[in-house]
Amino acid sequence: KAGVTQTPRYLIKTRGQQVTLSCSPISGHRSVSWYQQTPGQGLQFLFEYFSETQRNKGNFPGRFSGRQFSNSRSEMNVSTLELGDSALYLCASSLAVSLTSGYNEQFFGPGTRLTVL
Amino acid sequence: AQTVTQSQPEMSVQEAETVTLSCTYDTSESDYYLFWYKQPPSRQMILVIRQEAYKQQNATENRFSVNFQKAAKSFSLKISDSQLGDAAMYFCAYRSATSNTGKLIFGQGTTLQVKP
Repeated sequence: KAGVTQTPRYLIKTRGQQVTLSCSPISGHRSVSWYQQTPGQGLQFLFEYFSETQRNKGNFPGRFSGRQFSNSRSEMNVSTLELGDSALYLCASSLAVSLTSGYNEQFFGPGTRLTVL
Repeated sequence: AQTVTQSQPEMSVQEAETVTLSCTYDTSESDYYLFWYKQPPSRQMILVIRQEAYKQQNATENRFSVNFQKAAKSFSLKISDSQLGDAAMYFCAYRSATSNTGKLIFGQGTTLQVKP
């Protein structure tokens, strides 16, 4: 079974540009979460999607947005890039996350390294 | 709000020895999960071990075991017979078990060096 894939793996952008990152979950997984990892702030939760609906959102400005498609693939978009947006962006997928589904392990992708110049 | 704290930015251990990584957390919830994740230089986050808060028994996965002290809100990871491949950054993480979210709250991480 293929793991979580993220594209592109590396990206260089300049300030003011926008960027779209993609995450393809493991086949059959319906829940996708995104995290930002920086040396200063560590790992911070961005958002979570389940069946095309945003279920949870972290404390990030409105420049950060995301969506999930009917095939569970997810994209996140960052508009008007700032130097501080340089980070490793990780996504994680799981079968489902709900009070009735019990525990389902989340599997992480390899990440997209975004550099903003 | 829940928080996770790892007070050891770096640790080192001799190959074949035992090392313990510390983690404390704060929450008002009674039901939750705690995790240790390993992030090697490849940056791929790998789940090492999971503990359910309602279970008193400490989780064990081969050479990895935890010491879960619910009252003290402490969750340490013990790595026995350390191997060179254990060198990585280790993150302690918290997840609620009482809400419809898979949101993980991570500690700052501990970099583990394994000396041959």
